[in-house]
Amino acid sequence: NAGVTQTPKFQVLKTGQSMTLQCAQDMNHNSMYWYRQDPGMGLRLIYYSASEGTTDKGEVPNGYNVSRLNKREFSLRLESAAPSQTSVYFCASSESRWGSSYNEQFFGPGTRLTVL
Amino acid sequence: SQQGEEDPQALSIQEGENATMNCSYKTSINNLQWYRQNSGRGLVHLILIRSNEREKHSGRLRVTLDTSKKSSSLLITASRAADTASYFCATPIAQKLVFGQGTRLTINP
Repeated sequence: NAGVTQTPKFQVLKTGQSMTLQCAQDMNHNSMYWYRQDPGMGLRLIYYSASEGTTDKGEVPNGYNVSRLNKREFSLRLESAAPSQTSVYFCASSESRWGSSYNEQFFGPGTRLTVL
Repeated sequence: SQQGEEDPQALSIQEGENATMNCSYKTSINNLQWYRQNSGRGLVHLILIRSNEREKHSGRLRVTLDTSKKSSSLLITASRAADTASYFCATPIAQKLVFGQGTRLTINP
């Protein structure tokens, strides 16, 4: 099993360009998450999808959109990139069965994005 | 403000020594989790402690939880160079995890 995979690993954009970060998991998990991590800071939740067909805003959703394409895939789109979106982006997934309090998350390797 | 806050922000010790990191949180929880992040990599789950547990062990890791003080500690015994990483505590809220800012641990040879 590959776990959680993300593409691309690195990306450089110019201000105003758009791009989509891809994430896929092969663990049959219900929930998927997008985080950003800035230097010296913890992870901040951008969007999450508690189950296939649903998406919700996290702590820092402005400037981003997401699509839960199917149970496996959860993409993050930057419509008009800004320098403030320079960050490392992590995708994660968890089983999150209904009523379960156990929600260990499994993380992808990250995408390092620079917006000039 | 952060649900979980780690202390210290950075810790540097000699190989073989023990390392202790602390986490404080604000709201009631049903479990608390610790993660490790090696430089440039994604986070890896280390251990979960439930709210009705006071202590849990996993190899060289020992986690304690004091719900009355809303705090947890992670102890790494007999540290190794490979333990150099950032360590984060995380608390679940609904179906999300809220992470602290992390403790950066450096093990010196």
